[in-house]
Amino acid sequence: GAVVSQHPSRVICKSGTSVKIECRSLDFQATTMFWYRQFPKQSLMLMATSNEGSKATYEQGVEKDKFLINHASLTLSTLTVTSAHPEDSSFYICSARTVNEKLFFGSGTQLSVL
Amino acid sequence: ILNVEQSPQSLHVQEGDSTNFTCSFPSSNFYALHWYRWETAKSPEALFVMTLNGDEKKKGRISATLNTKEGYSYLYIKGSQPEDSATYLCAPVRSGNTGKLIFGQGTTLQVKP
Repeated sequence: GAVVSQHPSRVICKSGTSVKIECRSLDFQATTMFWYRQFPKQSLMLMATSNEGSKATYEQGVEKDKFLINHASLTLSTLTVTSAHPEDSSFYICSARTVNEKLFFGSGTQLSVL
Repeated sequence: ILNVEQSPQSLHVQEGDSTNFTCSFPSSNFYALHWYRWETAKSPEALFVMTLNGDEKKKGRISATLNTKEGYSYLYIKGSQPEDSATYLCAPVRSGNTGKLIFGQGTTLQVKP
C-alpha cells in the first residue's frame, strides 16, 4: 500500500522554540493532506486541511499563526509549531489523500515541550 | 461538532475469543464511515470504508456492519489472535466534507495468548 513518512517521530524542545514536522507521501502524489493532534486519552482531532499550492484551512479553535502549514509540493506538507509552549505538547499525525480518495497516515510525532 | 462514541473504551480477551465493538455517530448528513486499526508505534491502517445502510464488509476474520439510519456501526473479530491487539478507530465523514474524518476515541483491544 501507499506509504506516508512522518518525521521526526519524537521531539523534545525548550519552551519558546519552533518545531517543524514533515509529512511525505513516498509513492504517490497527495493534493490534500490533513494534520491531526491527539492529547492523552482523547481522540484524534483534525487541526487543518492542507492543499498543495494554497493556504491551509484550519479548524475552529486552531491558531493559524501558531501552527504554520506549508504544502509546497504534491508529496510534502510541513507543520511548524511556532514558539512552542508546554500546552502544545501532544501527538501530531498527518494523513495524505490519494487521487481516488484513499487516506494513508504517517506514524505520528510525539512533541514534548519543556 | 460531530459526536462520535466508541464502546467499550478497552477490551481484554483471550486468544480464540470472538469480540465486537460499537461506533455510534449522528445519522444526519452521513456520507461514509471509516474503520482504522492502529497498532502502537505504527501508522493507522485502513480496514473498511462503508457508505450504504445495511453494508457489511469483511477482511479475513474482521467484519463490520453499518446502520446509517440509526447511526451505528459494529466491528466484529472472530477468533481473536494476539496480533489483533490494537486500537480500533471509527471515523464518520459528513456529506460535503469528504476526506475530513472525525474520529472516535477508539477501542483498545488486548488479546492474551
